[in-house]
Amino acid sequence: AQSVTQLGSHVSVSEGALVLLRCNYSSSVPPYLFWYVQYPNQGLQLLLKYTSAATLVKGINGFEAEFKKSETSFHLTKPSAHMSDAAEYFCAVTGTGGGNKLTFGTGTQLKVEL
Amino acid sequence: ETGVTQSPTHLIKTRGQQVTLRCSSQSGHNTVSWYQQALGQGPQFIFQYYREEENGRGNFPPRFSGLQFPNYSSELNVNALELDDSALYLCASSSTPLFDSDTEAFFGQGTRLTVV
Repeated sequence: AQSVTQLGSHVSVSEGALVLLRCNYSSSVPPYLFWYVQYPNQGLQLLLKYTSAATLVKGINGFEAEFKKSETSFHLTKPSAHMSDAAEYFCAVTGTGGGNKLTFGTGTQLKVEL
Repeated sequence: ETGVTQSPTHLIKTRGQQVTLRCSSQSGHNTVSWYQQALGQGPQFIFQYYREEENGRGNFPPRFSGLQFPNYSSELNVNALELDDSALYLCASSSTPLFDSDTEAFFGQGTRLTVV
């Protein structure tokens, strides 16, 4: 079964600094991968997704992620953090070609400090 | 705003009781998926409904059941509530049952269930 591992349950960065949130997947074939953001007391919002097209995926709010098969990784980055980026971020996976369920990681809480 | 509405937003139940959570899907969407998010955890797939039929189920006991109505809104029912059922319950609405390159699932804000 596919799964994802998010390294670091809490990440703290300074405003204007690089954001790097890590996600590694476990699958024998490249799956579809997603990053979601969850603000306090809200549902999940899709940031971006990889579905076997370009390996560098650009999403909303300046975020991007690169699919690296050799490293089984799909890390999320943003060049310059903003206070409004403080939230919880979830990496998720589904089967190659699409699946009817998303399997989520345990999440990374991003804190942005002045 | 995603157009996916869940009700109620919060509720408190006693162990052993039954609860019904509701999800109004986005216009044009025929698929609703339900997830349980325990505190400090990622969401866990409960089940999916597609055109009023269950279309996949996660590792949850039968006391978790659901319905989808002709207008594609959905209910999640949990019987014999246990303390561990305390969680945020999220529903996701989509235009197809597959999460693929063309489909985006839109999540509601969730229902926070507390079992005491």
